[in-house]
Amino acid sequence: GDSVTQMEGPVTLSEEAFLTINCTYTATGYPSLFWYVQYPGEGLQLLLKATKADDKGSNKGFEATYRKETTSFHLEKGSVQVSDSAVYFCALFSGNTGKLIFGQGTTLQVKP
Amino acid sequence: GAGVSQTPSNKVTEKGKYVELRCDPISGHTALYWYRQSLGQGPEFLIYFQGTGAADDSGLPNDRFFAVRPEGSVSTLKIQRTERGDSAVYLCASSLGSNLFYEQFFGPGTRLTVL
Repeated sequence: GDSVTQMEGPVTLSEEAFLTINCTYTATGYPSLFWYVQYPGEGLQLLLKATKADDKGSNKGFEATYRKETTSFHLEKGSVQVSDSAVYFCALFSGNTGKLIFGQGTTLQVKP
Repeated sequence: GAGVSQTPSNKVTEKGKYVELRCDPISGHTALYWYRQSLGQGPEFLIYFQGTGAADDSGLPNDRFFAVRPEGSVSTLKIQRTERGDSAVYLCASSLGSNLFYEQFFGPGTRLTVL
């Protein structure tokens, strides 16, 4: 079945460092891909998405490119801030199933 | 406007008891989803409704779990004969529709602890 695999955390960075969180997927057909973020004490929020190959999703300085050839959707940010500390989830939405399938989440901690 | 709300925010129960978890979706959202998030894991799909009917209940782990949405708005997730393994955060999400163009908005979750 469809699945999503994320790099294990926690990831600890200093402020202004470059961030990459790896995400790969397995799916039949052509899923849409998402990154969700869960800040401490808050609910899941959509961060960005891409609906077809080579699309780039971006929001709040974060970017991810839908790479069909490598079945990947890695999250990047050029300069992280303390306020980016959160748990990040990669997810896919398959039109065949009508539901989101999530990775296990990656905790990011940014230190001043 | 108001987001997705879930009640209670926390529920502690004893093994073998029955529990109900409630979800109030965003007004006008026809699709409603239930997910379960165990500690250190991502949310796992349980069931989704399009209107009043369950369009896909393939994620319900067994027949102790049941969900309803009788008027196409509020939904209740019901768990019979709870087990310690049912302890998790239960998330509800709603969207304008059930295809990829409609963002799913998540509630804050209900943390269920089965002693």
